[in-house]
Amino acid sequence: QKEVEQDPGPLSVPEGAIVSLNCTYSNSAFQYFMWYRQYSRKGPELLMYTYSSGNKEDGRFTAQVDKSSKYISLFIRDSQPSDSATYLCAMSSTQGGSEKLVFGKGTKLTVNP
Amino acid sequence: NAGVMQNPRHLVRRRGQEARLRCSPMKGHSHVYWYRQLPEEGLKFMVYLQKENIIDESGMPKERFSAEFPKEGPSILRIQQVVRGDSAAYFCASSTGQGGSPLHFGNGTRLTVT
Repeated sequence: QKEVEQDPGPLSVPEGAIVSLNCTYSNSAFQYFMWYRQYSRKGPELLMYTYSSGNKEDGRFTAQVDKSSKYISLFIRDSQPSDSATYLCAMSSTQGGSEKLVFGKGTKLTVNP
Repeated sequence: NAGVMQNPRHLVRRRGQEARLRCSPMKGHSHVYWYRQLPEEGLKFMVYLQKENIIDESGMPKERFSAEFPKEGPSILRIQQVVRGDSAAYFCASSTGQGGSPLHFGNGTRLTVT
């Protein structure tokens, strides 16, 4: 079983739709959970950053972490064509002092005008 | 622009040549990470460095690859005797190094080996 699983999609939605992106993981030591957005030919851009379980909201974006189920989600409300990108989940533990992130493969999202 | 700076953006090398990729971290960041992204694959950790120290190189191939982050100047990822399988996007990230601090990425160097 891979440490982090993410459905690669692709996912295509109409403008204004609510988008739900998800990842599951197997390592119970993960404590820090992130969502990155990556446009074509660009580097990953940090969108959301959460510690442990719970919800975090930032504008149209909401991140949820359920550690008991080892499941994280990113919701995008009122999606826009500019949201079209690949979304990467990432997570880490602080064991050993190394902060290396483990990434999902990414979900490619297209928002159609 | 105070972001993570990587250069060159594109690098073409013939098999057997050396590739040098450079990374300057964000201002105030003293920790640097290198990741590799192959087509249709996720980002894979390679190495984690602080100034003059390699902290974790568990993701780096044992041969031909090396990394450094000198006291002065950018971090360098060096690939000797490149092979076609080294063709990938190489991303550098930096952080403050405080527990759980998020990583900020550069726009990568796309290496093509012909």
